[in-house]
Amino acid sequence: GAGVSQSPRYKVAKRGQDVALRCDPISGHVSLFWYQQALGQGPEFLTYFQNEAQLDKSGLPSDRFFAERPEGSVSTLKIQRTQQEDSAVYLCASSLRSGSAETQYFGPGTRLLVL
Amino acid sequence: DQQVKQNSPSLSVQEGRISILNCDYTNSMFDYFLWYKKYPAEGPTFLISISSIKDKNEDGRFTVFLNKSAKHLSLHIVPSQPGDSAVYFCAAEGSGGGADGLTFGKGTHLIIQP
Repeated sequence: GAGVSQSPRYKVAKRGQDVALRCDPISGHVSLFWYQQALGQGPEFLTYFQNEAQLDKSGLPSDRFFAERPEGSVSTLKIQRTQQEDSAVYLCASSLRSGSAETQYFGPGTRLLVL
Repeated sequence: DQQVKQNSPSLSVQEGRISILNCDYTNSMFDYFLWYKKYPAEGPTFLISISSIKDKNEDGRFTVFLNKSAKHLSLHIVPSQPGDSAVYFCAAEGSGGGADGLTFGKGTHLIIQP
């Protein structure tokens, strides 16, 4: 079956531009996570959805970052007025159920470069 | 303050030998641990996990050991194969019902030499 897919795979933005990153989770997966991975670092948690509800957005670095999952499947991470420090790989992951000890399956990521 | 630490940025092992990757954590609220493998330009791929109620979990060539008192876990790969060359991330989950996401280490780049 299809895994988690993300688009675009690569995005170059000029500083100040808005960008939108898309995630298609595994069909039927309840939980969806966004992570940010800077060069040479491990992924860092940004936000979590259970179906369409955004239950945790404590990892979003600023109010320029906004995520939504309106129908409980596809999710979009939007970054407004991009800054150079936003350059990173943005990873999406999904898991079948909510709750602890659920394996998260990752997409290939979107590599964002802000010039 | 890093809550999950992988102190070896890289590790080189001869093909056929055992690879041992180490991970330390500081948060005693972590109760579920995972290892992911990552190739360049791909997302992390789940390898193996362990709950804090266990001290060992084995899946084929991969075994994860957990020492709760030392807040230490390790991943053993035996025998090591060329396709095992990748970056390995240790990740931990707290008791927040999964809603707090995973906390990752910085990764260890494993190089399997022929």
